[in-house]
Amino acid sequence: EIVLTQSPGTLSLSPGERATLSCRASQSVSSSYLIWYQQKPGQAPRLLIYGTSNRATGIPDRFSGSGSGTDFTLTISRLEPEDFAVYYCQKYGSSPPWTFGQGTKVEIK
Amino acid sequence: EVQLVESGGGLVQPGGSLRLSCAASGLTISGFSMNWVRQAPGKGLEWVAVISHSSRTIYSVDSVKGRFTISRDNAKNSLYLQMNSLRADDTAVYYCARENVPSGMDVWGQGTTVTVSS
Repeated sequence: EIVLTQSPGTLSLSPGERATLSCRASQSVSSSYLIWYQQKPGQAPRLLIYGTSNRATGIPDRFSGSGSGTDFTLTISRLEPEDFAVYYCQKYGSSPPWTFGQGTKVEIK
Repeated sequence: EVQLVESGGGLVQPGGSLRLSCAASGLTISGFSMNWVRQAPGKGLEWVAVISHSSRTIYSVDSVKGRFTISRDNAKNSLYLQMNSLRADDTAVYYCARENVPSGMDVWGQGTTVTVSS
């Protein structure tokens, strides 16, 4: 079973700053099936990035994803007030389980 | 409006059963795999189960195998989760989500809360 480990657990930043979130897999993950979600308090998760680097519909271009193999990154180039949330990476595809990372909370400094 | 609406959550005693439903509107689920994902209070997301569009392929997390059953009725545009032998650690908000390969889970419901307690 592939385990996804996200770091840091919490990222304290100010609006306008750059956020870099890491997702490390215990085994190689197909880039096609590495996903990022955003979740705000009391809300369902929202799809942000699929296939490692493709923005979902309506997602602003300040969000970008990169990586391959076991190391993946979500970057928010300039934090807007609405970006403060929890971010999860997920692996899915041909072999279950469809694992989530434990999440990174981006909070206002 | 495209939406998934879960129902069927509530308070149940340990060892009890619940059946969750997820009704789709503004979209047709028949061509898509569908998932259940849960989130315990104050915790992260945990994938629970997935069912293929034809119901031919089903996977679930080890912790619910033998207790939870995912099913669907494409004619009713609905997804279900039968939960038996419930335990306190099954307490969570349960979300249904459409799996739109390769885009991941692109449509989510608002969640239904399951509380297992005596």
